[in-house]
Amino acid sequence: AQTVTQSQPEMSVQEAETVTLSCTYDTSENNYYLFWYKQPPSRQMILVIRQEAYKQQNATENRFSVNFQKAAKSFSLKISDSQLGDTAMYFCAFTGIQGAQKLVFGQGTRLTINP
Amino acid sequence: DTAVSQTPKYLVTQMGNDKSIKCEQNLGHDTMYWYKQDSKKFLKIMFSYNNKELIINETVPNRFSPKSPDKAHLNLHINSLELGDSAVYFCASRLSGRNTEAFFGQGTRLTVV
Repeated sequence: AQTVTQSQPEMSVQEAETVTLSCTYDTSENNYYLFWYKQPPSRQMILVIRQEAYKQQNATENRFSVNFQKAAKSFSLKISDSQLGDTAMYFCAFTGIQGAQKLVFGQGTRLTINP
Repeated sequence: DTAVSQTPKYLVTQMGNDKSIKCEQNLGHDTMYWYKQDSKKFLKIMFSYNNKELIINETVPNRFSPKSPDKAHLNLHINSLELGDSAVYFCASRLSGRNTEAFFGQGTRLTVV
């Protein structure tokens, strides 16, 4: 069964700092998709960034980038120049491309950006 | 236009009642999900439908029954509500087999008193 683990329940940094959120996963599939979602206090789930496992190049979206290490099954999220609006729960998620394609989430990391 | 819409947004009800949550997506996706988010924010998948067929049915009490009348709708009916059912329930949809994210509804906060 696929599992996703986020080992940092909470993190807190100062505005403008860089922060890295960790995520590891377990799967026997060779090709799959990985995502980071953000959930602000409004409760809405918002996609931050996505990565295809067969692409070696790390995905980037403005201030957000990932460090995808396929052999280590690691998918960390780096937020540069953090802003107050980045305060939210962050979820790492995995889906395979075979079978039922279950979208599995990690436990989440609560990130607080302090002024 | 809201891509994935759930109704109601809030639901407060007494133990033992039966309630339904509705979900509709206008994205043309073929796969829809129900997730339960508990007080610790953990998102646990409950059900998934692909083209109206149930493909994922996690260990969920049989008081929970999903219904997909067509590809654009996935409703969740809950019988004999219990205090432990209090949570936020999210509907989501996705196009299977592609590198596309799941789109989520705004969630339904269910409170059982």
